This record gives sequence, structure tokens and C-alpha cells, in this order.
Amino acid sequence: DAGVIQSPRHEVTEMGQEVTLRCKPISGHNSLFWYRQTMMRGLELLIYFNNNVPIDDSGMPEDRFSAKMPNASFSTLKIQPSEPRDSAVYFCASSPNRDIGSGNTIYFGEGSWLTVV
Amino acid sequence: GESVGLHLPTLSVQEGDNSIINCAYSNSASDYFIWYKQESGKGPQFIIDIRSNMDKRQGQRVTVLLNKTVKHLSLQIAATQPGDSAVYFCAENADNYGQNFVFGPGTRLSVLP
Repeated sequence: DAGVIQSPRHEVTEMGQEVTLRCKPISGHNSLFWYRQTMMRGLELLIYFNNNVPIDDSGMPEDRFSAKMPNASFSTLKIQPSEPRDSAVYFCASSPNRDIGSGNTIYFGEGSWLTVV
Repeated sequence: GESVGLHLPTLSVQEGDNSIINCAYSNSASDYFIWYKQESGKGPQFIIDIRSNMDKRQGQRVTVLLNKTVKHLSLQIAATQPGDSAVYFCAENADNYGQNFVFGPGTRLSVLP
């Protein structure tokens, strides 16, 4: 069973460069999440999609961040221009879309480790 | 429900002993909870979940207890093994659609030989 697949696993980039992180959710899952993890703030939800539609992007820190989900099997998180304070681990996760209120387990990818110098 | 990771609580246990990891959640309306395990360099991995209509749920070597009165969740690991060393997070479901979770700051479990 393939889990959530993220790329790249590691990226080091210079300040000001554009960064694109990619995610393939688990097949059949209808919800996709982007999280950021840092030592200072822990795991933070940036944005999540349901059936390819952005539902809540209130966690996106600035206009420099954008996320897209052009189809059910692919999503990108883009940072342009990148800054050193964007250095973090970015996790993509997906979840099946069960009945409302039943609770949906979120399954995480292995993360994209971003360092902006 | 916002987590702030200024420092990570650490629990050290002897191999073979039982571990208890605690979590206080913030939203009295939360109705679904998950414990995740995160090993170094990896993503969080699902361990066990519990709904708010239950106060206890058992899995293989793990038990989750839920006390809604004081908004407290605990994870018990029986016969702790070296492979249990990781950071453990609790997550609470924060809206009625079961899609948005808020994560606790995490607890680092170190298993001593």
C-alpha cells in the first residue's frame, strides 16, 4: 500500500528563490492537508482541501505561500519568494471522506525538509 | 487549541516498564482524538484513536483513556520497548466535519536499556 508521497524529501535553497513542494495523497482519499512543523510552533495546519477545493487556508502565513490541488492525486505548496524563517518540515497528509461527524484519521507523508539560507 | 513548542516535555522509562503520556486538549466540543507517534526523520504515524462517546480504547500494547470532564487524554504503552522511543502527539478534532485537527506540542519518550 502506497502512503502519502512527498517530494522533494530535502531541499536547500537560497533566500528569494521559489520553492515547490509536491504531494500525492493516498488513492481514494478526498481530503488533503498541508502542515508545517517547527521546534517553536510544533505542527501547524496551513491549508486543507476537500474534493480538490480549498476549504480552510487560514493557516497560510503570508501571500508568499500558495497551494493548489489540480486533481485528486496531486497537490503543490509553493513559497515565492522563500525566506530563512520558512525553514521547516512541511508535511502533506490525506484523509478519507467518511460521513460527517464520524471522525477521519489523517495519514501523513514523510515530509519535505526545507532549509532556506 | 494552538500548540506552542517552546520545549518538548520528555518522559524517560526503563525498558519493560509501562509508559503513560498525557495530553490536555482545549476544545470541549472536540469529539474525536488521535495519538500519533513520530520517529526521528519521519512523519507522524497513527497509533490509536478514540471518539468522545468512549472513555477507553485498547489496541496492541496501547490504551487510550479519555476524561472529558477535565479535557484530558492519556496514552498508555505496556512493556515499553526501545522501538517505542519517539515523540508522541495527541490531536483533537476541531470541527464537526472531522477534517481539521489541532495537535498538541508533543512528548518525547526515551526508553532506557
